[in-house]
Formats: sequence, C-alpha cells, structure tokens
Amino acid sequence: NAGVTQTPKFQVLKTGQSMTLQCAQDMNHNSMYWYRQDPGMGLRLIYYSASEGTTDKGEVPNGYNVSRLNKREFSLRLESAAPSQTSVYFCASTPSGMVNEQFFGPGTRLTVL
Amino acid sequence: QKEVEQNSGPLSVPEGAIASLNCTYSDRGSQSFFWYRQYSGKSPELIMSIYSNGDKEDGRFTAQLNKASQYVSLLIRDSQPSDSATYLCAVTPYGNNRLAFGKGNQVVVIP
Repeated sequence: NAGVTQTPKFQVLKTGQSMTLQCAQDMNHNSMYWYRQDPGMGLRLIYYSASEGTTDKGEVPNGYNVSRLNKREFSLRLESAAPSQTSVYFCASTPSGMVNEQFFGPGTRLTVL
Repeated sequence: QKEVEQNSGPLSVPEGAIASLNCTYSDRGSQSFFWYRQYSGKSPELIMSIYSNGDKEDGRFTAQLNKASQYVSLLIRDSQPSDSATYLCAVTPYGNNRLAFGKGNQVVVIP
C-alpha cells in the first residue's frame, strides 16, 4: 500500500497562475482533508470531505476550491495564486471522520512569486 | 481561546532523559486525542492516540489524558537523538469530523 500520495512534491507559481494539487489514498478511507502549514501557524484545515460526494470548508478556505473525484482522490485547486498561499500543503485521510486517526501524505511545497 | 494550545518553547533534553510535553484544549466535549511527530521537512506521523482518562503506554511513549482538567500530555522515556522532532497535539472537538491541531513543540535530544 502506498498510503496517501500527493503530487507534485514542489511547485513554483507566479501570482495569478492556477494549479491543482492532487491527493490519492489506497486505504479505502472515507474522509479526506487538505491542510496548509506555515511557520508559527501550525496546521490549518482548508477543506475536508467527510465522505465521497461531500465537501466542507475548514478554517482557511478562501482562495481554494476542492473536488472529491471519487473515494480515492481529493484535489485542491488554486484558481489565482497569491504570495500569501506560499506554504506546505498536506493531504490526510481517515477511515471515519469521527474516529479521526488521520494519516498524512508527504506534502507539496508551493512557492508563489 | 485557541482550541488546542501547546505553549512550551523548544525543549532540550539529554539523551536518556524523559521529555515531557503538555497540551490543553478548550472544548470540554472533545472525545479523541492524538500526538503526532513531525521531522523537519516531513509530514506528521501519528504516534499515539488516547480516548479515555488515564495513561496509555506504547514502547517509550506514554500519553496521559485528564478530561476534567482538559489536558493531554506525552512522555518520552529514554530519549534518543532520533526523537528530535516537533510534536503536535491534536483533538477532535465534540460533534466534529475534523482535527484541531496545536502549533507543536520542538524537542531536541542532546547526545
């Protein structure tokens, strides 16, 4: 099992460009999450999907959109990147949202110039 | 009031000593509690989960939960240089299917 995978690992964008961060899990988990991690700010939840077909906003959703493509895949889209979105992005999954032992992917390090 | 607080600064411990980390949470109805370890440049890794009051031991790690006082702690016995990392406390607030994370505590084990 690969667990949670994320692509790309690194990305540099110019302000205003768009991109999609991909996440996939092969553990048959129901719930998936997108976080960003900034120095001194800890992990902050952007969006989550409690189950296939549902998505909800987290703590910092502005500037992002998500798609739960199927049970395995949950993508995060930046429509018009801004320097404030420079961060490390982590995807996580858990068997059930209420149990909540979350397993993290390796992360995407994004720089917006 | 933050949902999860980890207020201690970086913790330096000599090799072989006990490292003690504390975390407080604001939602009295929280039901599940976790400790994650994060090495520099890597993703968080779940090392302990605890759901009821008391102690839970796993190898050199012990998690302690006190719901009345709303705190969770992590003890690392016989600290090793490989334990040098940032430790994140996480809590599931009542009725939620998300985790609230503390900002983390850096532990440095000195050989």
